[in-house]
Amino acid sequence: DTAVSQTPKYLVTQMGNDKSIKCEQNLGHDTMYWYKQDSKKFLKIMFSYNNKELIINETVPNRFSPKSPDKAHLNLHINSLELGDSAVYFCASSQGPRLASNEQYFGPGTRLTVT
Amino acid sequence: GENVEQHPSTLSVQEGDSAVIKCTYSDSASNYFPWYKQELGKRPQLIIDIRSNVGEKKDQRIAVTLNKTAKHFSLHITETQPEDSAVYFCAARDNYGQNFVFGPGTRLSVLP
Repeated sequence: DTAVSQTPKYLVTQMGNDKSIKCEQNLGHDTMYWYKQDSKKFLKIMFSYNNKELIINETVPNRFSPKSPDKAHLNLHINSLELGDSAVYFCASSQGPRLASNEQYFGPGTRLTVT
Repeated sequence: GENVEQHPSTLSVQEGDSAVIKCTYSDSASNYFPWYKQELGKRPQLIIDIRSNVGEKKDQRIAVTLNKTAKHFSLHITETQPEDSAVYFCAARDNYGQNFVFGPGTRLSVLP
């Protein structure tokens, strides 16, 4: 019954590797997001997709590439991982932009540790 | 773009007291202001939100006030309990309705 799910929950990997994080929502929402939460707990948006189309791409390195195969899924692929990529990554979804009900539902997070 | 500031960064209160967290935003066109609670190791969860056409909203022990002229909004928690201890984030949705900008968070500790 999980509304927004992410896999894996924990990811430990070495510098230079490529990894992916998967996100799925079963709420029928049109918009999905990726956030990065660093060690100081700052929550910063990275990407936003609406109906499989990229609508926000904040200033993130192009080593990060989101992919949305359908509107229920938004995966995050990271190339050439660096130490500074270590953080918790949250996926979220909402009904859609500009709609009256725009509550964001967050996934459980993926703690990425780059060694 | 939108910029959201939040104060204080940490707040300790005695159980039963009230707690107030304040946020300011920069984009006068922002029209939706949610508050999230994040417990240790958990995901952020919405606790209350307010839209720009409303000045105040209350839900049991939690209330949010919005002053559009001054561009600030506040979270009020009354009769605090130890389980209220968490990090609280305010956020503002930008004019295009697509980007949520979060404040830096307030770590609230409710002491028994």
